[in-house]
Formats: sequence, structure tokens, C-alpha cells
Amino acid sequence: GAGVSQTPSNKVTEKGKYVELRCDPISGHTALYWYRQSLGQGPEFLIYFQGTGAADDSGLPNDRFFAVRPEGSVSTLKIQRTERGDSAVYLCASSDPGSSYNEQFFGPGTRLTVL
Amino acid sequence: AQSVTQLGSHVSVSEGALVLLRCNYSSSVPPYLFWYVQYPNQGLQLLLKYTSAATLVKGINGFEAEFKKSETSFHLTKPSAHMSDAAEYFCAVGRSGSARQLTFGSGTQLTVLP
Repeated sequence: GAGVSQTPSNKVTEKGKYVELRCDPISGHTALYWYRQSLGQGPEFLIYFQGTGAADDSGLPNDRFFAVRPEGSVSTLKIQRTERGDSAVYLCASSDPGSSYNEQFFGPGTRLTVL
Repeated sequence: AQSVTQLGSHVSVSEGALVLLRCNYSSSVPPYLFWYVQYPNQGLQLLLKYTSAATLVKGINGFEAEFKKSETSFHLTKPSAHMSDAAEYFCAVGRSGSARQLTFGSGTQLTVLP
């Protein structure tokens, strides 16, 4: 079946602009996660959705970052007033909450470059 | 709180040699442990997972890892390296319940020399 997909694959924007990154999880996976991977680092957790609601947003760095999942499937990560330090690869993952060990399946990521 | 330490940001081995990538974790509860592989410009692919069923875990592409509670380690091994194993490898720790996010190590870049 289809895996997790993310669009766009690359996004270049200017400092101060607004961007939206989209994630399509695996069909039937009600849990969805966003991570950010800076150059040379492992992914860092941003936010976790269970269904439509954000169950844990403790990883969002500040109030410029926001994510939604209005119908419990596709999710959009929104970044306002982008800064050069926001440049990173943004990864989305989904999992079947019925899995007791929380195996997460990752998308290919969106590479965001803020000039 | 959970944390993961991967010793060695870069590891080089000759083709056919043993691969050993080190991972130590810290967790206040029994953890779930994972190894992911990332090829250039691709997402993370799950290699194997420890879920308390067995301490020696076999994964894809000939990799395996052993959970050692006394050493809080989950090192990844492969008996004979192949050129196609060259990639970045990440160890991660997870939990069930409300704290479902994975905590990743900083990664180990594996180079396989001909």
C-alpha cells in the first residue's frame, strides 16, 4: 500500500514569509507525528496528533509553529514569519495506535530552506 | 525523560567486515527501542525494533541488535558489510501511553570501503 507522503519535497522561501507543509499518512493510521531534522542531527519531535486533536505539542519551538489535522487524516504544518534557523528537513510519520510498540512509518520529508 | 546516545558520529568499515554501531539509552520505564536507516535524500526506514519479546532482535538486510538492560545498550551489528549498507543510522527510544514520540540519537554515518 501507499506510504506516508509529504509535499512539497523542497521549499525555498524568504525570511519573514509564511509556509505550509503537507503530510498524507498511511490510510487507517490515526496517529500522526511531525519531526524536524536539522543538518547533522537526529529528528526532533514537534507534535503528535491522535485523530483530529493535538495530543502533545510540547516539541513546537515557539508560537510561530502551528499544525492542524481537521479531518483526522491529512495534516498541515504551518510556520509564520520564517527565520533562517527554521531551515531543516521536516519529517512526518504515522502509526497504528493499536500497535503496542508505536512503530512509526516516516515520509520522505520536506526540505525547507529559508533565505 | 528519555535520551539516546550514539557513540561515533562516523564509522568506516571495509566491505565484508563486521559492522558495529553503538547505542545507549536512558529511560525511566521499560523502553521500546528502534534502529532506523536513512539513505541520502530519503526518509527513515525501520531496520528493527525491540519490544520486550526477545533480547536479540533480527531486522532487515542482515542486521540485528541485542538489548542489554544491565548496560542500557542496544547496539546494531551486521556480520559482513556490503557497499549498499552505506547510510546514516539512527537509534531511537519510544514509550507507550501518552508519551508516544520517539527520541532519536544524533546518528552514525556508516561508510563502507571497497
